[in-house]
Formats: sequence, C-alpha cells, structure tokens
Amino acid sequence: DADVTQTPRNRITKTGKRIMLECSQTKGHDRMYWYRQDPGLGLRLIYYSFDVKDINKGEISDGYSVSRQAQAKFSLSLESAIPNQTALYFCATRGSGANTGELFFGEGSRLTVL
Amino acid sequence: TQLLEQSPQFLSIQEGENLTVYCNSSSVFSSLQWYRQEPGEGPVLLVTVVTGGEVKKLKRLTFQFGDARKDSSLHITAAQPGDTGLYLCAGARSKSNYQLIWGAGTKLIIKP
Repeated sequence: DADVTQTPRNRITKTGKRIMLECSQTKGHDRMYWYRQDPGLGLRLIYYSFDVKDINKGEISDGYSVSRQAQAKFSLSLESAIPNQTALYFCATRGSGANTGELFFGEGSRLTVL
Repeated sequence: TQLLEQSPQFLSIQEGENLTVYCNSSSVFSSLQWYRQEPGEGPVLLVTVVTGGEVKKLKRLTFQFGDARKDSSLHITAAQPGDTGLYLCAGARSKSNYQLIWGAGTKLIIKP
C-alpha cells in the first residue's frame, strides 16, 4: 500500500459543485501539503499544515479550503468549483526532523471541472 | 514569474545518447532538489544538493549545484527508456523553512 493515499484518483464535476479531495498518510509525518500541477507551470502550493492546529495558505489558496482532521489526514475542498480549477492535485508529506526536506507525494487526483 | 527556469522544456532522444537538463535562477537557494515524475504517479526525489559546487552521482545520473547556489544541472549518460519521465527541480530558500520553489519541468522521452 502507498504511504500517501489520495482519493478520488479521478473526478469529473460541473461548475458550482462542491468537491473534496482527501489525503491520508502512514509515514507519521507532521507536515502535509496540497499542490496543483498544470502543464508548463510546475507545482504550485495551495495550502500546507505543520500540525493539526497549524494551517497556512500557499501561493494560490483562493477558491480552496483545507481541513487537517488528524495528523494523518489532510483534505482539500473546492467550495464552488470552476473550470480553471481543472488540474492534477497532489498531496505531499514531510517529516519535521528531515534535514534533507524530502517531500513524499501521493499518486495524484485528476479533477476536471466542466 | 517563474523563479526557477528549466530547460529544455521537452527533449526526445534515442537510447544511448547523453543529455543535460538545466535549472536556473537569479535567486540563491540553501538547497536544491531534483525529482522525477512518471505518468500517473507523484514526483519522487532523486537527489538533494546543498553545497555550492557539489556534484552527486546516482548511477548514470550526475547532478551539479552551481558555485553560487543559483543553478543546477542534471546530466544523464547513455540514456535508457526507463529514464523517460518529467524531471522537476525545486529550490529551498532557507534551511528552516522548506517552502520549495518549483521549476516547470523537463519532459524527457528516451526512444528505444
């Protein structure tokens, strides 16, 4: 089983719908991140969390919200999806004691907003 | 504004050829990472370079961090089809805050 699991892997929805992407990890890491990936733009940070009580906005947080339900779970919500939120979304984790700063990614959630 | 410029954006070569991918910035980074991403999967870390001028080797892959810690390169010797993927570089601005700045990636295809 993957250490970082994302659900759903693929989702097609309509403009205005609420969508939740979920992420769970078994690595025991306290730091969790949500990124979106668009062709030619690389990875852009949406939100990150250093522990259950610490949530921070990334560079493109508008239109998104997150919830850190437990150390192992970090979900991303789109309250009212719009077509330009069509993208590949990745959850990632990192241990606070890791001096190399390695990120461990899930397999991604592909979201299409029609 | 892309703070980390990767070049080329796309490269398709024959098996056995050598290639170099570049990651350039006007900013100084405390460390720089290279990841490889295969279709349907998330990026996986290949290497982290920390010291200016540092060279690290991973089998046929050679990574170099620029002396001024503003740029990096990835050289692949005798490329194989298994090297196919999207190569991403990411720089950390400080040791205490690992907020990474990502390049847009180089899509590499190695033809048999």
